[in-house]
Amino acid sequence: AQSVSQHNHHVILSEAASLELGCNYSYGGTVNLFWYVQYPGQHLQLLLKYFSGDPLVKGIKGFEAEFIKSKFSFNLRKPSVQWSDTAEYFCAVNPFGNQGGKLIFGQGTELSVKP
Amino acid sequence: DAGVIQSPRHEVTEMGQEVTLRCKPISGHNSLFWYRQTMMRGLELLIYFNNNVPIDDSGMPEDRFSAKMPNASFSTLKIQPSEPRDSAVYFCASSLGSGGSTDTQYFGPGTRLTVL
Repeated sequence: AQSVSQHNHHVILSEAASLELGCNYSYGGTVNLFWYVQYPGQHLQLLLKYFSGDPLVKGIKGFEAEFIKSKFSFNLRKPSVQWSDTAEYFCAVNPFGNQGGKLIFGQGTELSVKP
Repeated sequence: DAGVIQSPRHEVTEMGQEVTLRCKPISGHNSLFWYRQTMMRGLELLIYFNNNVPIDDSGMPEDRFSAKMPNASFSTLKIQPSEPRDSAVYFCASSLGSGGSTDTQYFGPGTRLTVL
C-alpha cells in the first residue's frame, strides 16, 4: 500500500549530537514533501518543505532535509541538537501534484534530547 | 494574529453521546482540514474544505462522523453517536490557497476527545 514511513519511533540523543531522521514514501510521480514538528503540549508547526529545485532544503531552527528522488526519501538533519529540540517530528507527503492539499503523514518520530 | 482556534481543548463524554468539535481557521485562509491523531494510526486526514465546500471526505471513518463549514470562519466536526474508539486528538488546520499541494497548512492546538 502507498504510505509514508518513518524508520525510528523514538530517538534519544545527547546535546550537540548530530541528528538524522529517516522518511521514505512509496508514491510515484510528483510529490511535495514536508516536515512538521510538535513540541510537547503544542500544535504542529512547519519545519520545512520541498516542492522543486535544490533538493537540499533549509528550514527553521537549523534543520535541513534532503530529497533523494531515486531513494524516495526526504531525511531530516541537524548538525547539533539542543535540549529544546525535544519534540515529535512528522514527515508528510502530498502525492497528488496539483490536485489537492491532502497530506499523508508518517507515524512520527519522538526525539528526546538529554541535557 | 490569532492562529487556528479550536474548541473545546478537552472533551470527555460517554459512549452514545453526540460530540461537536469546533474550528475557526486563520482569517483569509481558503482551505480547512480536519485530522485525527491516534497512537495506532498516527495523523489521518478526515476531510478538507475549499471555499467552504467539502473537497475530499474519503478519510471520514463512517456515517457517525459529519463535518460542516457554514461560512469561511467556522467549521464543525460532529460525531453521533460517539464510541470509545473515537478517542483521539482532533486537529484542525487551514491554508491560504485553494488547498493545493504546495500550500502550507497551519494547525490548531487540537481537541483531545475521550469517550468513556
